[in-house]
Amino acid sequence: AAGVIQSPRHLIKEKRETATLKCYPIPRHDTVYWYQQGPGQDPQFLISFYEKMQSDKGSIPDRFSAQQFSDYHSELNMSSLELGDSALYFCASRRAYTGELFFGEGSRLTVL
Amino acid sequence: DAKTTQPPSMDCAEGRAANLPCNHSTISGNEYVYWYRQIHSQGPQYIIHGLKNNETNEMASLIITEDRKSSTLILPHATLRDTAVYYCIVRVDHYGQNFVFGPGTRLSVLP
Repeated sequence: AAGVIQSPRHLIKEKRETATLKCYPIPRHDTVYWYQQGPGQDPQFLISFYEKMQSDKGSIPDRFSAQQFSDYHSELNMSSLELGDSALYFCASRRAYTGELFFGEGSRLTVL
Repeated sequence: DAKTTQPPSMDCAEGRAANLPCNHSTISGNEYVYWYRQIHSQGPQYIIHGLKNNETNEMASLIITEDRKSSTLILPHATLRDTAVYYCIVRVDHYGQNFVFGPGTRLSVLP
């Protein structure tokens, strides 16, 4: 069965650089979520989209932005990267009005 | 969304049932109880959810008390691969609204 695809799986950037993470949800899933998980921490909600519109917003820094495209894939753009942005970034998708969130394998961002 | 309280850690012997409790005393009538788990550095994995009736699937059983103020996730025959952090999440089942993870219960299944 198709799963949530995230790319790249690993990314190394320097401070103040920009990074873009991509997420391809499961077909026919109309809701996408982004989470950030720092070392030893629980996943923290960043932002979500339903039918290409932002539906909920969490602790996403102003330096980050995201969008969902017409083909339902989503991108998380991170600018002016800081050391503290080093984390696992998970994308999840869900079909509206169903209970189950499906997570991707995550993108590990390291900022040097 | 209602807050939840879980023990920070639990141990369970391999092959025995693991019973993970969750308190959600402020739950409201339209909020569901969800359980997810996260095996080290993997994406969280959905286990089960329910509103007021007990639920069972191939992974686990969910027992919700009659007043809905607490629930128990039961893994009937725990294996070493069930070692993970288990999250109990209470939320209204609206599209797009986020799931808040943590703090959960770190379950260690011991050989």
